Amino acid sequence: GIQVEQSPPDLILQEGANSTLRCNFSDSVNNLQWFHQNPWGQLINLFYIPSGTKQNGRLSATTVATERYSLLYISSSQTTDSGVYFCAAFTGGGNKLTFGTGTQLKVEL
Amino acid sequence: DAGVTQSPTHLIKTRGQHVTLRCSPISGHKSVSWYQQVLGQGPQFIFQYYEKEERGRGNFPDRFSARQFPNYSSELNVNALLLGDSALYLCASSLATGGAVGETQYFGPGTRLLVL
Repeated sequence: GIQVEQSPPDLILQEGANSTLRCNFSDSVNNLQWFHQNPWGQLINLFYIPSGTKQNGRLSATTVATERYSLLYISSSQTTDSGVYFCAAFTGGGNKLTFGTGTQLKVEL
Repeated sequence: DAGVTQSPTHLIKTRGQHVTLRCSPISGHKSVSWYQQVLGQGPQFIFQYYEKEERGRGNFPDRFSARQFPNYSSELNVNALLLGDSALYLCASSLATGGAVGETQYFGPGTRLLVL
């Protein structure tokens, strides 16, 4: 099956810093989602982004499907951005998501 | 609008017991999927149901089963619990199966299961 890898695995930022999280996938995907998992376990939708670039406030994402990667940009990070960021890819038919390995982000004051 | 809801929020069971987890999708959503997330890992796909039929199954033993009801809510059942079944169980809903293109998945808060 498809492999989804994320980097870096861990990231510590000072509040106000910018960061880029990367998601590589081993095969063609139909679509891709980015999630933020808060400390209580809730998976929060960030982006549904099969290709191109989307922006939502301080967050933006870019997917280059032909090169099999997606990037999540966080600008002016805040302590509330802390948590685990997952990308997840759809493959084949249906709605099965294959999740990446995650990036654990900690934003410090 | 209410999001995906799951019950119970936490559960403690002993080895060999049976457990039933419940999920109610977002109003209007017809597809429900279940995922297992072990500590330190990403969620792993267990099942997808659409219109009360199983549309996908992950690599989980037959001890895991699920069903979907006419109101599109769903139950996940796990028999003969093992210590390794301790995990966060997540339910996701979407509008439809999506065919060849995945539909946006919306996740519930999860049920934390601890097997002693």
